[in-house]
Amino acid sequence: NAGVTQTPKFRVLKTGQSMTLLCAQDMNHEYMYWYRQDPGMGLRLIHYSVGEGTTAKGEVPDGYNVSRLKKQNFLLGLESAAPSQTSVYFCASSFPAFAGGGNQPQHFGDGTRLSIL
Amino acid sequence: GQNIDQPTEMTATEGAIVQINCTYQTSGFNGLFWYQQHAGEAPTFLSYNVLDGLEEKGRFSSFLSRSKGYSYLLLKELQMKDSASYLCAVRDRNGAAGNKLTFGGGTRVLVKP
Repeated sequence: NAGVTQTPKFRVLKTGQSMTLLCAQDMNHEYMYWYRQDPGMGLRLIHYSVGEGTTAKGEVPDGYNVSRLKKQNFLLGLESAAPSQTSVYFCASSFPAFAGGGNQPQHFGDGTRLSIL
Repeated sequence: GQNIDQPTEMTATEGAIVQINCTYQTSGFNGLFWYQQHAGEAPTFLSYNVLDGLEEKGRFSSFLSRSKGYSYLLLKELQMKDSASYLCAVRDRNGAAGNKLTFGGGTRVLVKP
């Protein structure tokens, strides 16, 4: 049982390049999330998904796109990377709150450290 | 929207007790979570409160007062391995899409021998 797996773990990009971050979960969770974590700012939600084929914007969606073609996978895309997108990106997944009396925490992957020069 | 405040850093001695406070102002509330995050690693779930009162789980306890918009995480019998950041997160109101969490900036706890 691997939990939430993110690939790659590290990446360096040049400004203007594109890339896709991959997230896979094997816990049959309906909900999936992408966050970025910057020093002093905590985790901020980029996009999320409540099920296969559905996505929605979070707090800081600009410059990112996502897709959830399969229930277990959630992809985060950067079409034209900018230095401001240098960050650590975390994927998370969970069951809906109503599925377990409310105590349904989000489970996080190990993160992708992305540097954009 | 949500606004969550917690201290940036705290230092304590091995074997002691540390209390990490979290205050929140939210447009909706459906539970508060505490996560532990060691440097360079993923956040891991510690505790969940949705009703007022204290939840105890081994050396860790978490308290919630919804009327005051206040929670704390209590770490007892501190060990060196407890040196980490502790994240307070509030879940969006019941019925809101996606059960989204809003995180505070995290409290870095340094345990000294």
